[in-house]
Amino acid sequence: GAVVSQHPSWVICKSGTSVKIECRSLDFQATTMFWYRQFPKQSLMLMATSNEGSKATYEQGVEKDKFLINHASLTLSTLTVTSAHPEDSSFYICSASLLAGGPLEQFFGPGTRLTVL
Amino acid sequence: DAKTTQPTSMDCAEGRAANLPCNHSTISGNEYVYWYRQIHSQGPQYIIHGLKNNETNEMASLIITEDRKSSTLILPHATLRDTAVYYCIVRNFGNEKLTFGTGTRLTIIP
Repeated sequence: GAVVSQHPSWVICKSGTSVKIECRSLDFQATTMFWYRQFPKQSLMLMATSNEGSKATYEQGVEKDKFLINHASLTLSTLTVTSAHPEDSSFYICSASLLAGGPLEQFFGPGTRLTVL
Repeated sequence: DAKTTQPTSMDCAEGRAANLPCNHSTISGNEYVYWYRQIHSQGPQYIIHGLKNNETNEMASLIITEDRKSSTLILPHATLRDTAVYYCIVRNFGNEKLTFGTGTRLTIIP
């Protein structure tokens, strides 16, 4: 149980285009979903926290107008990278939080590798 | 959440126990110790977590010192598939955020 999927697993796009990444909790309803970004040889950096039906909370330094997050249901969150540029090329990872009678557990998706040409 | 300190890298022979240390000297009473690992180009995988007592599951054991200022993750019989970056994270109960440090790059050697 507690499986999180992401789609697509990789995407290559031209500079200036927008890219949408989906994150789904397959067998549970997530109270909260998170979006991370990871550059090569670096650690994961939290970009934003997303709750179903409300606006996402962005971490300092993350442009909310560039990284649009929609959390329409308890099992789906989407991240849209608008007007992508080569510096947005990165590994984007989502996670979903599950309340399981103790500390909140967080389960991660497999990641989406974005390459902007 | 308390900050953690881990060695940058470690090697371990296949079949031996891998012991990964983590220092969290500023941990407070209601903060848990979590361990995740990330195999290359994949999302992080939950391993184990604990508060005070030692914990064991099918993947690993977590040993937390009595003063809770440090802990050790033990992979009892390391295999080549255990090669990954291991992250020790301290998180407050009820705080959903996970703050990843640089972790320990564990390499299992045949």
